[in-house]
Amino acid sequence: DTEVTQTPKHLVMGMTNKKSLKCEQHMGHRAMYWYKQKAKKPPELMFVYSYEKLSINESVPSRFSPECPNSSLLNLHLHALQPEDSALYLCASSHPLAGGATSTDTQYFGPGTRLTVL
Amino acid sequence: AQSVTQLDSHVSVSEGTPVLLRCNYSSSYSPSLFWYVQHPNKGLQLLLKYTSAATLVKGINGFEAEFKKSETSFHLTKPSAHMSDAAEYFCVVFRGAGNNRKLIWGLGTSLAVNP
Repeated sequence: DTEVTQTPKHLVMGMTNKKSLKCEQHMGHRAMYWYKQKAKKPPELMFVYSYEKLSINESVPSRFSPECPNSSLLNLHLHALQPEDSALYLCASSHPLAGGATSTDTQYFGPGTRLTVL
Repeated sequence: AQSVTQLDSHVSVSEGTPVLLRCNYSSSYSPSLFWYVQHPNKGLQLLLKYTSAATLVKGINGFEAEFKKSETSFHLTKPSAHMSDAAEYFCVVFRGAGNNRKLIWGLGTSLAVNP
């Protein structure tokens, strides 16, 4: 099973709202990722968790707050977003980030949450 | 530093004809390379990956790609296009070093399949 699930599929929120995106995988992966994707563009990495610890934050604004409560779940908490934050938010997972340079770290993606900020 | 260039932003083919999506990479060592596909309003699906085993890699849905080190290329091909192949295709190189391990994405190629 190579499935990553994300909820909700669609989310519309105002700039003063607080909402959360959820991601779940049961492949035993210990690395999980959040990406942001604008239309007709490649995904942009936001955060990486490795063994439930934040290992990469790509200088994302603090209105995005990630959380990894356990090895299967990844959340992205949203607060005071801007209209330009409207995008497809993708979650991915992979095997642990190994020390060797030859590790492939194949990432498996969920279907995404389409976020619209009004 | 690793990077990846997809040589065509749009490719249009007729159903039943071959597909060629071109990708060139740069890497300071033997890379890991991937092709992902994204259908409209969907997530990303792994088509295939190269990890320094066989240079000809077979993927899902009849796609394959050949790693050519001398040409630094990893082009994606399919002998006969199907309408369901219409999608965005991304060539990706893996950059790995300690905790700074990331996928480096090409800008994508939009494939249209005409009846």
